[in-house]
Amino acid sequence: GESVGLHLPTLSVQEGDNSIINCAYSNSASDYFIWYKQESGKGPQFIIDIRSNMDKRQGQRVTVLLNKTVKHLSLQIAATQPGDSAVYFCAEIYNQGGKLIFGQGTELSVKP
Amino acid sequence: DAGVTQSPTHLIKTRGQQVTLRCSPKSGHDTVSWYQQALGQGPQFIFQYYEEEERQRGNFPDRFSGHQFPNYSSELNVNALLLGDSALYLCASSYGLAGRTDTQYFGPGTRLTVL
Repeated sequence: GESVGLHLPTLSVQEGDNSIINCAYSNSASDYFIWYKQESGKGPQFIIDIRSNMDKRQGQRVTVLLNKTVKHLSLQIAATQPGDSAVYFCAEIYNQGGKLIFGQGTELSVKP
Repeated sequence: DAGVTQSPTHLIKTRGQQVTLRCSPKSGHDTVSWYQQALGQGPQFIFQYYEEEERQRGNFPDRFSGHQFPNYSSELNVNALLLGDSALYLCASSYGLAGRTDTQYFGPGTRLTVL
């Protein structure tokens, strides 16, 4: 069935450390992946995306890695800050359908 | 540049009632998708509108219906509300027919509580 799963439901890191949030997807036909950040009481905020013809993409303090062989996606956050505390979702689109399939989310907690 | 806006922010209804939620897409966007997010879960796709037509639909009953207006804004209607319809309803906008561009930007959501 359709599923995008996350390995860890919670992640706690020290301020200034790097964070890595992982995601497994099940549909090998997926061609587009997005990471969203959702703070309490707010809608998901776009962080970074990657297409299936790439294996790495970098943004400001964030890097997304895509391993199609094992159907694994990760989000790396450099120098994690308290403002990074939120729930992070990976989402996929396959068959150019426009429908985002979300995982359950990982809650990132940054300790000062 | 205005982002995606939704109204109202909160809503309380009783079982059996009907509700209408509204969404204005980000400037320059013409496609609107609706999602339902239960507490502690990821958003679930309800449907997508483009050129005033429903283009895709998720696994939701016919009680959930929608509309898109010529100015690209959209409404989500839910009839015969059930307790299980309590959730955060998210609107996301994007540009172009599904597949040509995929980045969807979300609004703040409408929190619906059904008593």
